[in-house]
Amino acid sequence: DAGVTQSPTHLIKTRGQQVTLRCSPKSGHDTVSWYQQALGQGPQFIFQYYEEEERQRGNFPDRFSGHQFPNYSSELNVNALLLGDSALYLCASSLAERDTQYFGPGTRLTVL
Amino acid sequence: ILNVEQSPQSLHVQEGDSTNFTCSFPSSNFYALHWYRWETAKSPEALFVMTLNGDEKKKGRISATLNTKEGYSYLYIKGSQPEDSATYLCALLRYNQGGKLIFGQGTELSVKP
Repeated sequence: DAGVTQSPTHLIKTRGQQVTLRCSPKSGHDTVSWYQQALGQGPQFIFQYYEEEERQRGNFPDRFSGHQFPNYSSELNVNALLLGDSALYLCASSLAERDTQYFGPGTRLTVL
Repeated sequence: ILNVEQSPQSLHVQEGDSTNFTCSFPSSNFYALHWYRWETAKSPEALFVMTLNGDEKKKGRISATLNTKEGYSYLYIKGSQPEDSATYLCALLRYNQGGKLIFGQGTELSVKP
């Protein structure tokens, strides 16, 4: 059983560009959450998707948006990239909103 | 306490030592506390989900306790092994915040043979 997968593994972008990160949830999971981990900090919640809708959002600007597809996979989009967006982006899936979240290995985004 | 705080930030022990870390959190609107282990270059791995005051959970040499009234949880590792080296994260779920996990900054454990 494949766990949570994310692509790409690493990504380098320049300021002002846009980026799309992808996540496939663990088999049987329909809820996907996204987190940003900056250096030296714990992961920060961006948002959670269920039934193709954003159900909960953390304290991130509108430049951060997402999407969930009918097969439960998800994308995280970040527009107008800033240097401060450089971080590890983690995707997690779960059976329900408050169930245990299983994490992928993350996508390392570097903004130059 | 307004945030989830973990101490110490890092810990270096010898193989065979027992160790413990602390996670402190705001006790209001408590729903659950999660513990994760995160080894370098791997995905965070769920260790425990704790929901009831006084809960104690165990997985091999690792155990955890929970006090929701005073807002803290302890994670214990008995007889540390080099393979226990990892960052240990706690994360709070609150009633009024859906599935939003609020993470501490983690405790980085290094076990030397």
